[in-house]
Amino acid sequence: EAGVAQSPRYKIIEKRQSVAFWCNPISGHATLYWYQQILGQGPKLLIQFQNNGVVDDSQLPKDRFSAERLKGVDSTLKIQPAKLEDSAVYLCASSRIRQGVPNYGYTFGSGTRLTVV
Amino acid sequence: AQSVTQLGSHVSVSEGALVLLRCNYSSSVPPYLFWYVQYPNQGLQLLLKYTSAATLVKGINGFEAEFKKSETSFHLTKPSAHMSDAAEYFCAVTESYGGSQGNLIFGKGTKLSVKP
Repeated sequence: EAGVAQSPRYKIIEKRQSVAFWCNPISGHATLYWYQQILGQGPKLLIQFQNNGVVDDSQLPKDRFSAERLKGVDSTLKIQPAKLEDSAVYLCASSRIRQGVPNYGYTFGSGTRLTVV
Repeated sequence: AQSVTQLGSHVSVSEGALVLLRCNYSSSVPPYLFWYVQYPNQGLQLLLKYTSAATLVKGINGFEAEFKKSETSFHLTKPSAHMSDAAEYFCAVTESYGGSQGNLIFGKGTKLSVKP
């Protein structure tokens, strides 16, 4: 099966500009996650969708970050305006829902590396 | 609240030597625990996971980890390091499925270097 697709792979923008990342999960995966991985740290959850609804966005900086998954399939994460501290790798992951089996088929994409200058 | 502590941000071993990467967790409910590997400019790949079955879990590439509840640990080991094992390794925790949405809490990672 195809993996989790993310684009672009790399992006360099100036601070205060806007940027968008795209993720296409594995077919049939109802749950989609966006993680932020700052250099030297582990990934941190930004937002979690189940189908097209938001399950958890408690760590999403909502003044500048937004995400949507309109049709319950692919998703877009946007930053507007970007700050220097947003430089990070943005990882998308998806998983199935299977009762009693955690993170069933949980798969990460290769990520988008954002550099804000 | 759940948390993960990985001891040692950088571990260096010689090829053929034992690999030991340490992970301690904090969770108020029975945890599910994971080890992921990340090669440069790539996403995270699952090595192995503990889901309350056998406490000794075998994963890919010869890695294994043992869940020790009394020590709240889930250390990753490999008997003999290979040059291709050089990467960054992340330990992660989530609550048992019934009380969790499945999102993962990650440690800060341990970078493994393998010397010839």
